[in-house]
Amino acid sequence: DVKVTQSSRYLVKRTGEKVFLECVQDMDHENMFWYRQDPGLGLRLIYFSYDVKMKEKGDIPEGYSVSREKKERFSLILESASTNQTSMYLCASNRNNSPLHFGNGTRLTVT
Amino acid sequence: GIQVEQSPPDLILQEGANSTLRCNFSDSVNNLQWFHQNPWGQLINLFYIPSGTKQNGRLSATTVATERYSLLYISSSQTTDSGVYFCAVSASGGYQKVTFGIGTKLQVIP
Repeated sequence: DVKVTQSSRYLVKRTGEKVFLECVQDMDHENMFWYRQDPGLGLRLIYFSYDVKMKEKGDIPEGYSVSREKKERFSLILESASTNQTSMYLCASNRNNSPLHFGNGTRLTVT
Repeated sequence: GIQVEQSPPDLILQEGANSTLRCNFSDSVNNLQWFHQNPWGQLINLFYIPSGTKQNGRLSATTVATERYSLLYISSSQTTDSGVYFCAVSASGGYQKVTFGIGTKLQVIP
């Protein structure tokens, strides 16, 4: 079975802190994704990566950056956390033209 | 970018009833997926269905790519079917960016 692991289930950070959210997949997938989920807005794509060191902006990249130094790991970085970044963050991965697999999510609260 | 619309936004069913959820998309796609998010937040892939019809138990899905829509059928609904159903697509050509609709929230009552 595909396993997508997010490093934390819950995080509480202060405004202005630099925050790292980590995601690891164990199936050698080319593509990895970061979404945020907010009530009534569905899942919105922040960034995705189609190969090591390659990244593409999604629909809401402002305030975020990403890093993919190894194929199995995709990190989401909040350079200076703000209260409007309080959300559920979901990582996913897949091969091209194959089903998407999700991690369990990280609920981030910025105070 | 591609737009994904799901309907209805909310649905309440009596246990045992059948339902149809719809997903419309604004451009040609090279893949389409249906997901169920359970009350604990976990997203489970139900179908990978860029075209045609698939069935899995009480659930089935049909995608008519040429007309830019997909349908998810739930038959003999159970309380465990409750949750949010999402449709997600990747537009044809270019990188495989996966875009989600805002979902259909289903509540099945005993």
